[in-house]
Amino acid sequence: NAGVTQTPKFQVLKTGQSMTLQCAQDMNHEYMSWYRQDPGMGLRLIHYSVGAGITDQGEVPNGYNVSRSTTEDFPLRLLSAAPSQTSVYFCASSSPPRWRETQYFGPGTRLLVL
Amino acid sequence: GDSVTQMEGPVTLSEEAFLTINCTYTATGYPSLFWYVQYPGEGLQLLLKATKADDKGSNKGFEATYRKETTSFHLEKGSVQVSDSAVYFCALSDQEGGYQKVTFGIGTKLQVIP
Repeated sequence: NAGVTQTPKFQVLKTGQSMTLQCAQDMNHEYMSWYRQDPGMGLRLIHYSVGAGITDQGEVPNGYNVSRSTTEDFPLRLLSAAPSQTSVYFCASSSPPRWRETQYFGPGTRLLVL
Repeated sequence: GDSVTQMEGPVTLSEEAFLTINCTYTATGYPSLFWYVQYPGEGLQLLLKATKADDKGSNKGFEATYRKETTSFHLEKGSVQVSDSAVYFCALSDQEGGYQKVTFGIGTKLQVIP
């Protein structure tokens, strides 16, 4: 099993550009989520999904869109990049949305917005 | 709402020293508690967890006990190694509307020097 994979590993964008961060998992997990990691702030939830076709907002959703057409994939779209979106982005998944379950994280995408 | 408090660090220790990283939490329900570790350039991975009061999680020489009376989940290791240098995140997972909600602390950076 590859676990949770993310692409790209690094990306530099100019202000106003759009892009999609890819996330895929091969563990048949129903629950997937996107976090951003910033110094001194830990991990903050952007969006999450409890299954194909079902998504919801997290703590910091503005400027990001998600969709979940399959169990495996959960892409994160930046509509019009801003310098404030410079961060490290992590995708995570877990088995059926039970609160006792461990989350499995991808290796992260480092994004720099100029 | 739920919250997790831990020191940011960095915590600098000599090899073979005793480690304690404090974690306290507030939660409305009966959460599960986790410690995740992030090695340089990688995503988070589960270190240990506890799902009910008085449970002790342990892994790789690390331990933490779920203390409901003090709302704490302090991480300890008797003798740290250079390879333990990483960022450690305390997290709680709770139900919200039937779904898994995870709240992370800001992460504590540990540096172990030979």
